[in-house]
Amino acid sequence: DIQMTQSPSSLSASVGDRVTITCRASQNISRYLNWYQQKRGKAPKLLIHAASSLQSGVPSRFSGSGSGTDITLTISSLQPEDFATYYCQQTYTTPWTFGQGTKVEI
Amino acid sequence: EVQLVESGGGLVKPGGSLRISCAVSEFPFSKAWMSWVRQAPGKGLEWVGRIKSKTDGGATDYAAPVKGRFTISRDDSKNTLFLEMNSLKTEDTAVYYCTTIGIYGYSSGWYEGIDHWGQGTLVTVSS
Repeated sequence: DIQMTQSPSSLSASVGDRVTITCRASQNISRYLNWYQQKRGKAPKLLIHAASSLQSGVPSRFSGSGSGTDITLTISSLQPEDFATYYCQQTYTTPWTFGQGTKVEI
Repeated sequence: EVQLVESGGGLVKPGGSLRISCAVSEFPFSKAWMSWVRQAPGKGLEWVGRIKSKTDGGATDYAAPVKGRFTISRDDSKNTLFLEMNSLKTEDTAVYYCTTIGIYGYSSGWYEGIDHWGQGTLVTVSS
């Protein structure tokens, strides 16, 4: 199975900060990488698919970049509603696997 | 608006069985690829498995921890997805989410993403 490792596991940031989360795959996954946001007690929400394609309705402050084994999620200017846990997921091959999550806290 | 409503969760003893369901509305269910994702209390997301549409062959894939014990099936006439769970273990305790799989086409290929989620149903395996 492809292992997905996110870094950092948690971070503290302030409103307006630029935040970057990295997902590292144990093998080349090209651009088969999705990012999800999960708020406490809620189901996850798809933010980005195919490494850099923004899901409809997702604010443009979210962006994704990279391919291969290292792929990044960037929030250009953190907003209060962005405090949540973020997960990456590879769909290069089944079984699909998620990263362990990155908790973004105030 | 797409709605996915899971039901059937509850308490079951280790070694027992349970079937959970997911009713889907406002969505072309028969054409959809579907999956189940679970989340143990306080833990991260874990993909359980997926089922393709019947027109795409209806094949299923599973994660290693559930392969041979869990079965995903679908009833397109009732817009319902099922997860049959057998030989349950305490480590299967989790919220189980029913999801749709979006398929996005680009010049570089076809990409999948989990684009709609239910509210989840809690399955607790305990004696």
